[in-house]
Amino acid sequence: SQKIEQNSEALNIQEGKTATLTCNYTNYSPAYLQWYRQDPGRGPVFLLLIRENEKEKRKERLKVTFDTTLKQSLFHITASQPADSATYLCALADAGGTSYGKLTFGQGTILTVHP
Amino acid sequence: ETGVTQSPTHLIKTRGQQVTLRCSSQSGHNTVSWYQQALGQGPQFIFQYYREEENGRGNFPPRFSGLQFPNYSSELNVNALELDDSALYLCASSRTSLETQYFGPGTRLLVL
Repeated sequence: SQKIEQNSEALNIQEGKTATLTCNYTNYSPAYLQWYRQDPGRGPVFLLLIRENEKEKRKERLKVTFDTTLKQSLFHITASQPADSATYLCALADAGGTSYGKLTFGQGTILTVHP
Repeated sequence: ETGVTQSPTHLIKTRGQQVTLRCSSQSGHNTVSWYQQALGQGPQFIFQYYREEENGRGNFPPRFSGLQFPNYSSELNVNALELDDSALYLCASSRTSLETQYFGPGTRLLVL
């Protein structure tokens, strides 16, 4: 069956360090993968999208990689700040059949950046 | 701000009742998707509408139904509410099925 796993429920790091979050999937051929940020009681906020034929995407302090052979995406936040503390969700988009366009989410990683 | 709005923000219902949640998509977005998010979990896909037709459905029973209107608004209806329906309900709009989905703030539903 299809499965998406984010490697840890919680990640604690010191301000200024790089946070690295992992998303692994099985039994998918995704059209693309997205990362979202979610604050408590709020809707997810789109951060980055990377397509199956792309290896890396960057946006300011954010970087995402996508390895379709390993079936893994890594999400990096460099020079992390306490304001980066939130839950980060990865989501895969199906490209075929009745699930066309459906987003399947991982369970999320709670990132806490300590001053 | 994504331009996607949802109402109401919070709702309390009792078991067996029916509820209607509303969403207003970004202008120009023909696709709306609805998700259910239980506490501590990622959002789960309920269904998607494209140009007023259902365009895909997740593993939710028929008592979860939806409508999409030409003015970029949509509804999620849930009949015969159960305690496990307590969750954050999110709508997300996009231009097409395979483009980035932008989420609203959600409606927090509590079923007692």
